[in-house]
Amino acid sequence: SAVISQKPSRDICQRGTSLTIQCQVDSQVTMMFWYRQQPGQSLTLIATANQGSEATYESGFVIDKFPISRPNLTFSTLTVSNMSPEDSSIYLCSVQRQGAYEQYFGPGTRLTVT
Amino acid sequence: QKEVEQNSGPLSVPEGAIASLNCTYSDRVSQSFFWYRQYSGKSPELIMSIYSNGDKEDGRFTAQLNKASQYVSLLIRDSQPSDSATYLCAVRGGSYIPTFGRGTSLIVHP
Repeated sequence: SAVISQKPSRDICQRGTSLTIQCQVDSQVTMMFWYRQQPGQSLTLIATANQGSEATYESGFVIDKFPISRPNLTFSTLTVSNMSPEDSSIYLCSVQRQGAYEQYFGPGTRLTVT
Repeated sequence: QKEVEQNSGPLSVPEGAIASLNCTYSDRVSQSFFWYRQYSGKSPELIMSIYSNGDKEDGRFTAQLNKASQYVSLLIRDSQPSDSATYLCAVRGGSYIPTFGRGTSLIVHP
């Protein structure tokens, strides 16, 4: 498994502002992902954070709205830009080790946009 | 489009009973199958993974895989109130990224 931390754990933000969420892993991992989970819904993959290159975004998600950084093999950030109430959700970081198929999730960031 | 289907529930079972959670998937080339438990307000926690047909047991949990019928199930024996949670099925095909189902809510009542 992996020990994953996320900051902040929760935040309340005003419409039009941006929030950067940090994800830190206790050891190097090959793959890092960002998911969104809205109340009562399953997980929606936003993007795969690639170390040293641009993130790979899923359909419906764009870099201008959700810029992602991954400067090394243990850290990534997701920014939610120009927020609207529709962005209110739980944002989850997950990791996957090289040669393994299991994904492990961080504790999540609960975002409320007013 | 790859789909993973789960009954949303809630599935209600009495304490001590066997809870049976089911999941079907559409992608015939799926290779890896996972069950996650998610308590309300918490993130998903991996509890079982299974890669080949048959049963895999881990404590009170048994995962069952039938690739021919494209379903995977999770049995929880001697269910406890602490097992009350949403259980997410995840299926990985040729891609390194799994597809998640919507989850089944399990309620174990005393």
